[in-house]
Amino acid sequence: DAKTTQPNSMESNEEEPVHLPCNHSTISGTDYIHWYRQLPSQGPEYVIHGLTSNVNNRMASLAIAEDRKSSTLILHRATLRDAAVYYCILIYSGAGSYQLTFGKGTKLSVIP
Amino acid sequence: ETGVTQTPRHLVMGMTNKKSLKCEQHLGHNAMYWYKQSAKKPLELMFVYSLEERVENNSVPSRFSPECPNSSHLFLHLHTLQPEDSALYLCASSPGWGPGTQYFGPGTRLTVL
Repeated sequence: DAKTTQPNSMESNEEEPVHLPCNHSTISGTDYIHWYRQLPSQGPEYVIHGLTSNVNNRMASLAIAEDRKSSTLILHRATLRDAAVYYCILIYSGAGSYQLTFGKGTKLSVIP
Repeated sequence: ETGVTQTPRHLVMGMTNKKSLKCEQHLGHNAMYWYKQSAKKPLELMFVYSLEERVENNSVPSRFSPECPNSSHLFLHLHTLQPEDSALYLCASSPGWGPGTQYFGPGTRLTVL
């Protein structure tokens, strides 16, 4: 299974942009890159996903390297509510199989 | 109720007990999932169901037995668990089976004595 590597923790000042990196050097061509976040005492929450092209939604942007071996989740203006553990995940589904690999996640702290 | 709900939210059981975790989704989704989240370990996918049929079973011990009677309900039956099975058990659902968005419930905190 493809693995992901993320920094254990990061800090950001409130209202500043945050770039959360993820390495997935063994990614296969059919793996989708997903980002989820988990607040304390809650289940994970979907943030964004992509395959090859950069993606934007109301929560964040996802920048995918041209070789797809790394990606970066971008929060444009961090708020206190963005403090959470962010998971970079690879998902493969096909041919009767479903494979999903969670990393250890990055704990993001937002400083007021 | 909306979203994905799980009951109970907390469960303490002995190693000889039999208990069940319940998950219900009110989103009209066709795929449901069980995950295990242990302290200091990444989230682990346990089972995947699509249209009530099991798609994936990630080498989970037989003391964990899933059941999906319909696309809205998912159960995890537990028997003769070990203390190392203590963890947060999360349920999720998605519109279809595939690399799309999953919606998670709040989890059941299980403690095995």
